[in-house]
Amino acid sequence: KAGVTQTPRYLIKTRGQQVTLSCSPISGHRSVSWYQQTPGQGLQFLFEYFSETQRNKGNFPGRFSGRQFSNSRSEMNVSTLELGDSALYLCASSLYAGPRNEQFFGPGTRLTVL
Amino acid sequence: KNQVEQSPQSLIILEGKNCTLQCNYTVSPFSNLRWYKQDTGRGPVSLTIMTFSENTKSNGRYTATLDADTKQSSLHITASQLSDSASYICVVSAFEGSTLGRLYFGRGTQLTVWP
Repeated sequence: KAGVTQTPRYLIKTRGQQVTLSCSPISGHRSVSWYQQTPGQGLQFLFEYFSETQRNKGNFPGRFSGRQFSNSRSEMNVSTLELGDSALYLCASSLYAGPRNEQFFGPGTRLTVL
Repeated sequence: KNQVEQSPQSLIILEGKNCTLQCNYTVSPFSNLRWYKQDTGRGPVSLTIMTFSENTKSNGRYTATLDADTKQSSLHITASQLSDSASYICVVSAFEGSTLGRLYFGRGTQLTVWP
């Protein structure tokens, strides 16, 4: 069974631009969660989607948004990029929503904002 | 405030030696605790997951313990190998009101195994 895939793997943008990251969950998994990982803050929860609905949201500004499609694939968008948005963005999929379900992480997208 | 604290922040050991990583949490109400291994530049991979009623769980050379009374967990690595060099992240999940709950992440212990 294929694992979680994320595209692109690496991305370089400049301040003020916007970016869209994509995540394809494990086949059959209906929940997708997004995380931001930085050396200073560690892993921080962005949001979770299940059946095309946002079920949970972390403490990030409205510049960070996401969506999930009917095939469970998910996209994350960051608008008006700031230098502090440079991070590894991880996507994780699970069968169902909620933290009791085991999550499987993708390899991440490394975003660099110049 | 719900928090997860890991210690040490970093650790260097020689190949073949054992080591123990610590995780203390204040998350409540507790749902489960997981240990993840994250190699540099890759996503975390689950090692163990423990619920309230479990106090030990093993996965090969990795053994996790949980003391729900003191809110402490440890990850013991036996006979370390060079491939064990990675960041080990403790994650605690909590039930929260009407939501589905959420995860609380430690900042990880960076383990380096030297030959």
